[in-house]
Amino acid sequence: QLQLQESGPGLVKPSETLSLSCTVSGGSVSNSSHYWGWIRQPPGKGLEWIGGIYYSGSSYYNPSLKSRVTISVDTSKNEFSLKLNSVTAADTAIYYCARHREQLWSSPLDSWGQGTLVTVSS
Amino acid sequence: SYVLTQPPSVSVAPGKTARITCEENNIGNKRLHWYQQKPGQAPVLVIDYDTDRPSGIPDRFSASDSGNTATLSITRVEAGDEADYYCQVWDFSSDHMVFGGGTKLTVL
Repeated sequence: QLQLQESGPGLVKPSETLSLSCTVSGGSVSNSSHYWGWIRQPPGKGLEWIGGIYYSGSSYYNPSLKSRVTISVDTSKNEFSLKLNSVTAADTAIYYCARHREQLWSSPLDSWGQGTLVTVSS
Repeated sequence: SYVLTQPPSVSVAPGKTARITCEENNIGNKRLHWYQQKPGQAPVLVIDYDTDRPSGIPDRFSASDSGNTATLSITRVEAGDEADYYCQVWDFSSDHMVFGGGTKLTVL
């Protein structure tokens, strides 16, 4: 069964870079049948899409975050990663990684990691 | 920009039918998905491609869309259905994903 697991620091200082990885088990990030994505949720608020990537490296980002976000994929480690630079308190959120069910950006997110809380604070 | 509008909250008595709406321009042409998120948990897909129910989702969950409004319906509501519900589409015009603001379903 497919499992996704987020990992990375739970505390990041303002102006620094938030870095998270999503390790895929029970499946392959190189599977050409799926896209992969990052979504975040500030405490007590709704879901916000950050961006997504295909194993080839093709990616899309939320226009509101695009200038600060980089998503990459490492097929050798079977994981994909998120970097968000110049963070502020507004970036404090639970960060989820997820899988698109098909090789379509419009396809649903059918498998999610448990999420990891990242707090931005000095 | 593309916006999906959901009511912040919906309340329903056990055994009744809950209806949660998601409004957008020309939603009939979109591939809309619905997620359920219980407290402290990751979202779970409950409806995909406007009206389809993924494997394992009870048939009490259904959805429809008409004009600019999509509706998630939950019949014979149970206490365990209490959760936040989000609609989601892919905006083809600007190539990004959009979520509705979410609706908190309270079972009275």
